[in-house]
Amino acid sequence: EIVLTQSPATLSLSPGERATLSCRASQSASSYLAWYQQKPGQAPRLLIYDASNRATGIPARFSGSGSGTDFTLTISSLEPEDFSVYYCQQRNIWPLTFGGGTKVEI
Amino acid sequence: EVQLVQSGAEVKKPGESLKISCKGSGYSFTSYWIGWVRQMPGKGLEWMGIIYPGNSDTRYSPSFQGQVTISADKSISTAFLQWSSLKASDTAIYYCARGGTIAEGGKFDCWGQGTLVTVSS
Repeated sequence: EIVLTQSPATLSLSPGERATLSCRASQSASSYLAWYQQKPGQAPRLLIYDASNRATGIPARFSGSGSGTDFTLTISSLEPEDFSVYYCQQRNIWPLTFGGGTKVEI
Repeated sequence: EVQLVQSGAEVKKPGESLKISCKGSGYSFTSYWIGWVRQMPGKGLEWMGIIYPGNSDTRYSPSFQGQVTISADKSISTAFLQWSSLKASDTAIYYCARGGTIAEGGKFDCWGQGTLVTVSS
C-alpha cells in the first residue's frame, strides 16, 4: 500500500499569499496523483489530476507538479474561499489511498 | 450535468444491517467506476472500495474488505454500499464519487453529497 504523507498539517497564511502544499509517497505513484479541496460541511472537489492537470472549472491560480514520490500543490495567490482542507490521493497502485490532509487557515 | 445523488441520513443500532445508495445521472453509468469514501467525524478521507458497473469488477481497501459490500444495479444507474452488522465505529459520512473511465480508475471527478450514518444504542 502506498502511504501518502502531507505536510504541513496546518498552513497559516493571509489572502494574497502563495501557498505550497506537499505530498510525499512511500513508493512511486508515477504521475497518478490528485488533489482535492474540502470545505466544511461539503463533499470534496477535484482540483488537480494526474499530478498537473487542472480539473474542469478550476481557477488557474491552482497548479500541481511532481512525479514519483514528491508532489506539490501551489496556490499562487490565496483568495478568501481557498481557506479549507486539501487532500492528495494516488491511483497508481491498488488500494487507492489518501493523504492525511493539510488545512490552510487564515 | 453529471450528478451523483445519495440516499438520506440513517440512524441505526449496533448489529443492524444497512444499505445506502448512490444514483448517477448525466453520463453513461456503466462506463465509469464508482468509489466509496468514508469520513469519520473530524477526520480525513479513507478510500473504501470501488466498482465498475460495466462488468461489476470490484476492488476493496484491505481495511474494509469483509466489512462492507459494494454493488451496483445498472438498470437503475445506482451503486450501493452495505453492512450486515453495524458497529458504533461505523458512524461517519460516506461519500460516493465517480471514479474515472475503466483506464482511469480512481480519478474522482464528481462526488455525491454524502450520507451520514449514525450507529448508536
